[in-house]
Amino acid sequence: NAGVTQTPKFRVLKTGQSMTLLCAQDMNHEYMYWYRQDPGMGLRLIHYSVGEGTTAKGEVPDGYNVSRLKKQNFLLGLESAAPSQTSVYFCASSFPQGIYEQYFGPGTRLTVT
Amino acid sequence: GDSVTQMEGPVTLSEEAFLTINCTYTATGYPSLFWYVQYPGEGLQLLLKATKADDKGSNKGFEATYRKETTSFHLEKGSVQVSDSAVYFCALIRSAGGTSYGKLTFGQGTILTVHP
Repeated sequence: NAGVTQTPKFRVLKTGQSMTLLCAQDMNHEYMYWYRQDPGMGLRLIHYSVGEGTTAKGEVPDGYNVSRLKKQNFLLGLESAAPSQTSVYFCASSFPQGIYEQYFGPGTRLTVT
Repeated sequence: GDSVTQMEGPVTLSEEAFLTINCTYTATGYPSLFWYVQYPGEGLQLLLKATKADDKGSNKGFEATYRKETTSFHLEKGSVQVSDSAVYFCALIRSAGGTSYGKLTFGQGTILTVHP
C-alpha cells in the first residue's frame, strides 16, 4: 500500500496564478483533510470531506476550493495564489470514527512570489 | 472553541536524557488526545493516543497519560536517542457530534533536538 500520496512535492507560483494539489489514498478511508503548516502555528484545517461528493470548510478555507469526485482522491485548488498562501500543505485521511488515527501524506511545499 | 497549548521550544537534550513536553487542552465534552511526530522532510505520524480519562498511551518508549482533572497530556520518555529528533505535536479530536467530528485540533509543535 502506498498510503497517502501527494502531487507535486514542490511548487513555485507567481501571485495570481492558479494550481491544483492532488491527494490520493489507497486505504479506503471515508474522511479526507487538507491542512496547512506554518511556523509556530501547528497545522490548521483548510477543508475536509466526509465522503465522495461532499466537502466542508475547516478553520482557514478562504482562497481555496476542494473537490472529492472519487473516494480515493481529494483535490485542493488555489484559483489566484497570494504570498500569504506560501506554506507546506498536508493531506490526511482516516476512517470515520474520531478515535482512529489520521494518516498523513509527505506534504507539498508551495512558495508564492 | 477547542485549543491545544504546548510548551515553547525548541528543546535540546543530550542522548539518554529524560524528556517531558507539556501539553494542555481546552475542549467541550470528552476529547480523544494524540501525540503526532514529524521527522525532517516527512509528514506526521501518530505516536500514541488516549481516548478516555486516566488512559496511558505508549509507543517506542514514549508515554502520555490523559489527565482530565488538569486537562493535560504530557509526553515523556526516559532516555532519548538522536533518532528522536523531530517535531512533536499534541492534538485532540472531539469524541462526537456536529461539525467538529473527526477534525484534529493541533498544538503549535515542539522541536526536539537530541545531541550525541
